[in-house]
Amino acid sequence: LAKTTQPISMDSYEGQEVNITCSHNNIATNDYITWYQQFPSQGPRFIIQGYKTKVTNEVASLFIPADRKSSTLSLPRVSLSDTAVYYCLVGGVRTNAGKSTFGDGTTLTVKP
Amino acid sequence: NAGVTQTPKFRVLKTGQSMTLLCAQDMNHEYMYWYRQDPGMGLRLIHYSVGEGTTAKGEVPDGYNVSRLKKQNFLLGLESAAPSQTSVYFCASSSGRTGGATEAFFGQGTRLTVV
Repeated sequence: LAKTTQPISMDSYEGQEVNITCSHNNIATNDYITWYQQFPSQGPRFIIQGYKTKVTNEVASLFIPADRKSSTLSLPRVSLSDTAVYYCLVGGVRTNAGKSTFGDGTTLTVKP
Repeated sequence: NAGVTQTPKFRVLKTGQSMTLLCAQDMNHEYMYWYRQDPGMGLRLIHYSVGEGTTAKGEVPDGYNVSRLKKQNFLLGLESAAPSQTSVYFCASSSGRTGGATEAFFGQGTRLTVV
């Protein structure tokens, strides 16, 4: 299994940039890195996905170094509504369906 | 577009009772998954399916059975419920297109309590 390690919790203030790092030392060649967001009493929601270097969409950026043993989710100018649990998931759905794990995630608390 | 729909949303069972959780997706996805999430923890994969008529065990399959008779539906069964199965159950689906990984879409969850 592609196991991941994330900080248990992080605090931030509104308007700040937040960076959450995920360690995945045993990532396989065909594994992708995917980040999900989960609010209380809801299912996880896809944020961003990448394979290498940098990926950016309308809500976040994902930085992946050349060795791919870690990745960093960057949330620009967070707001109170970004308070949630963030999960880093490593795997390839098509090639490793069922072999990637969510881990316990990072609880991000945004304060006013 | 409903996405992934789970039925029921809440259920209370007595120890030893059986029940079936239904997951339906309208996105024509090949892959479907059942997860459980215990308080303060991440999601753990119970069973998954890579296509109609196929199922496979995930990380925590004991005490559960699944069936995928139709592409759009994935059923999770508990034959004899135990208090340890008290949890929130999430169903997810994703496409099986070629070329790397794809995002998974999750349902709203089923909160199950076994007393």
